[in-house]
Amino acid sequence: KAGVTQTPRYLIKTRGQQVTLSCSPISGHRSVSWYQQTPGQGLQFLFEYFSETQRNKGNFPGRFSGRQFSNSRSEMNVSTLELGDSALYLCASSLATSGVYNEQFFGPGTRLTVL
Amino acid sequence: SQQGEEDPQALSIQEGENATMNCSYKTSINNLQWYRQNSGRGLVHLILIRSNEREKHSGRLRVTLDTSKKSSSLLITASRAADTASYFCATDGGSNYQLIWGAGTKLIIKP
Repeated sequence: KAGVTQTPRYLIKTRGQQVTLSCSPISGHRSVSWYQQTPGQGLQFLFEYFSETQRNKGNFPGRFSGRQFSNSRSEMNVSTLELGDSALYLCASSLATSGVYNEQFFGPGTRLTVL
Repeated sequence: SQQGEEDPQALSIQEGENATMNCSYKTSINNLQWYRQNSGRGLVHLILIRSNEREKHSGRLRVTLDTSKKSSSLLITASRAADTASYFCATDGGSNYQLIWGAGTKLIIKP
């Protein structure tokens, strides 16, 4: 089975721009989660989608948004980029259907640098 | 916000020795998971222990969970150079559809 794929792997943007990151989960996985990882804050939960519905959202401003398509692929968008948005953005997929979170399979991440 | 705190923040041991990392968390949980992250393989799931379990083994890994103390430990026996990585605990915080992560323990195995 192919793993979780994320595109692009690296991205350089300037302040004020917007960016869209893409994630393709493992085949059969309908739950997709997004995380932001920075040296200072560690891993922070952004949001989780299941069957095109956002089931939970972390404490991030409204500039961070996401969506999931019918084939379970997911995108996240960050508008009006700030320097502090520079981070590794990780996507994870899971078989989780109920409220209990099971093993997460992570993609390699997208390294976003905001100049 | 972070649910868990790992202890120690960094650990350096000789190859062949055992490594123990601890994780404390704040709220009730359904399960606790341990992950490893290194530059080569990214973030990889190691083991999941449910709130009604006290100990779990997987190869050279042994995880314990004490829900009364809200703590967990990860023991890696007979360490290898390939075990050099950052190790994170993550809990569901008792709520749905998210994982809350600790700050991680950076483990260095010296040859």
